[in-house]
Amino acid sequence: GENVEQHPSTLSVQEGDSAVIKCTYSDSASNYFPWYKQELGKRPQLIIDIRSNVGEKKDQRIAVTLNKTAKHFSLHITETQPEDSAVYFCAASVGTYKYIFGTGTRLKVLA
Amino acid sequence: DAGVTQSPTHLIKTRGQQVTLRCSPKSGHDTVSWYQQALGQGPQFIFQYYEEEERQRGNFPDRFSGHQFPNYSSELNVNALLLGDSALYLCASSSGALNGQPQHFGDGTRLSIL
Repeated sequence: GENVEQHPSTLSVQEGDSAVIKCTYSDSASNYFPWYKQELGKRPQLIIDIRSNVGEKKDQRIAVTLNKTAKHFSLHITETQPEDSAVYFCAASVGTYKYIFGTGTRLKVLA
Repeated sequence: DAGVTQSPTHLIKTRGQQVTLRCSPKSGHDTVSWYQQALGQGPQFIFQYYEEEERQRGNFPDRFSGHQFPNYSSELNVNALLLGDSALYLCASSSGALNGQPQHFGDGTRLSIL
C-alpha cells in the first residue's frame, strides 16, 4: 500500500553539527518529494522539495538527495542552529493529486 | 500577499455533533487540500478540491465531506463527530491541475471532541 517511512523519530545534535533525516517511499510512480518544518503550534512550512528527475538539490544549509532506484530520499542540514529545532516531515506524491506524509522527526539542536 | 487562512482556530464539540471548517487559499492558488493531523503524527490526506469538485480522496469515511466555492475557498464538514476526530485540521493550497506543485499550509483548526 501507499506508505512513507521516516527515520529517526527523534534526533539530537550539537549546534554546528550536521543532521540527516531519511525517508523511504513505496510507490515507484511518486515523482515529487517535499520537506516541511513544523514548529510547535505552527503550520508546516515547506523548506525544500525535489522532483524525480533530479538527484540532489541544495538551498544554503539545507539539501535533499533522492535515490529513485532504492526509493529513498534524505534531508541534510549542515551547521545546525538552535532555530533549526522543530519537527520535520517528508512527503511523497501518490497518484496525480495526493501526498503521503512521514511520521515526523523531532530535531533538537543543543547549544 | 495573504497566505492560507483558516477559521476558526479552535473549536470544541461533543460527540454526534456536526462541524464546518473554513479555508481561504493563498492568492493565486486554485487547489485546496485538507489534512487531519493527530497529535505526534504526520498530516493525513482527507481530500483535494479543484474547480469546485473533489478529485481525490484519502481513507476517510463519508462523514467527511467538503465543498469548494467559485472564489476557490473551501469548507470541510464532519458529521456525527467521534472522539477520534479530535485533531488539528490543516488546509493546504497550491496552484495548477497536476501534482508536484508546492503546497502551502494554513495554521489549522484545532478540533476537540468531548
